[in-house]
Amino acid sequence: EEQLVQSGAEVRKSGESLKIACKGSGYTFSSYWIAWVRQMPGKGLEWMGLVYPGDSEIRYSPSFQDQVTISVDKSISTAFLQWSSLKASDTAMYYCARLAGYDATGYFPFDFWGQGTPVTASS
Amino acid sequence: SYELTQPLSVSVALGQTARITCGGPKIGSKNVHWYQQKPGQAPVLVIYRDSDRPSGIPERFSGSNSGNTATLTISRVQVGDEADYYCQVWDSRLWLFGGGTNLTVL
Repeated sequence: EEQLVQSGAEVRKSGESLKIACKGSGYTFSSYWIAWVRQMPGKGLEWMGLVYPGDSEIRYSPSFQDQVTISVDKSISTAFLQWSSLKASDTAMYYCARLAGYDATGYFPFDFWGQGTPVTASS
Repeated sequence: SYELTQPLSVSVALGQTARITCGGPKIGSKNVHWYQQKPGQAPVLVIYRDSDRPSGIPERFSGSNSGNTATLTISRVQVGDEADYYCQVWDSRLWLFGGGTNLTVL
């Protein structure tokens, strides 16, 4: 079964660092882009960025560039999202999702998603 | 920058047809994908490339896209269809989501 399994809930203080994970299984992890999506409490979905595990190419949304770092370790089929200094406004649910094909220009959708990682950053 | 406009909410009687719109300039020239998100759950893809349905999604879900409006249509609506629905496009190297529409079944 193809799936993405994310790391568990995190509670941190503002100013602390954090790295969350998204592990793929049941498919060739290195052949599909992984996206990160934020959902703030009671709000909609926001695309943060994409990483291609095959060559570690990363594309950021301008809204999140310099706010987070996306990385990947294909040897363990895992993508990461990290913060060097959390803010209270980073409190949200974070999802990873797989892009259904090699082309990251809109033809393919996000065909399945991880279960989400809730992050709470208290001030 | 490109923006997608969805109604905040749509209400429909049980068994009737729900139509959820997603507006944007010349959206008919783009591939539109739709996701369903039930409370406390991750989004699920229900329509991709305007009108294609992933395996496991009921035939009651359909989509269309023309001009400045894409539409997700849910026929014979069931209580289990109550959820938030998001449209998505790619534009200028960015993935964009609509603001989401909450579907209520009366």
